[in-house]
Amino acid sequence: GAVVSQHPSRVICKSGTSVKIECRSLDFQATTMFWYRQFPKQSLMLMATSNEGSKATYEQGVEKDKFLINHASLTLSTLTVTSAHPEDSSFYICSAEVSTRQFFGPGTRLTVL
Amino acid sequence: EDQVTQSPEALRLQEGESSSLNCSYTVSGLRGLFWYRQDPGKGPEFLFTLYSAGEEKEKERLKATLTKKESFLHITAPKPEDSATYLCAVPQHGSSNTGKLIFGQGTTLQVKP
Repeated sequence: GAVVSQHPSRVICKSGTSVKIECRSLDFQATTMFWYRQFPKQSLMLMATSNEGSKATYEQGVEKDKFLINHASLTLSTLTVTSAHPEDSSFYICSAEVSTRQFFGPGTRLTVL
Repeated sequence: EDQVTQSPEALRLQEGESSSLNCSYTVSGLRGLFWYRQDPGKGPEFLFTLYSAGEEKEKERLKATLTKKESFLHITAPKPEDSATYLCAVPQHGSSNTGKLIFGQGTTLQVKP
């Protein structure tokens, strides 16, 4: 099956700093990737759709200037949380579509102190 | 508005005690219903896709079924290793791909030996 990786798996940062999360498709090319956020005891909420070579599209209520998405190649999308605050602490998960199936990365646990 | 509701929120079973998880959905023009398994601190793992009412799919001790308004995930003679959160999801109406998923809240299953 298709494999999606994320790096780092967990990160702790101070309030006000920026954090970059990488999402890679290891054995396939992905023109479109998706970024989800999951708060404790809650389900996944779609944040944005990352399109290779073009701007990402954001879901309603997600600040595009705070969550910067770059999809510079067919195997890599990055999510940068800018000026992170404690309320941004969450589990961030990316996914990519292969033959109408969504394959998810292992997630990145972000803790903002 | 597209909506996915899962029940029960939590389920505790003894090993070998079969049961079913429910996923009710309201979406215009269903383009697939997805079941995922999520272990703590991990990304969702794909289980099944169902496309039309009456369809059934099986994998080991799991069987997923679909009607026009809901899906069931039947677990036959579960083992402790089946303990996880089970998520169902449907693609957003109007989305051009299946990656923009609307997730239910999940059912957290605990199987005791």
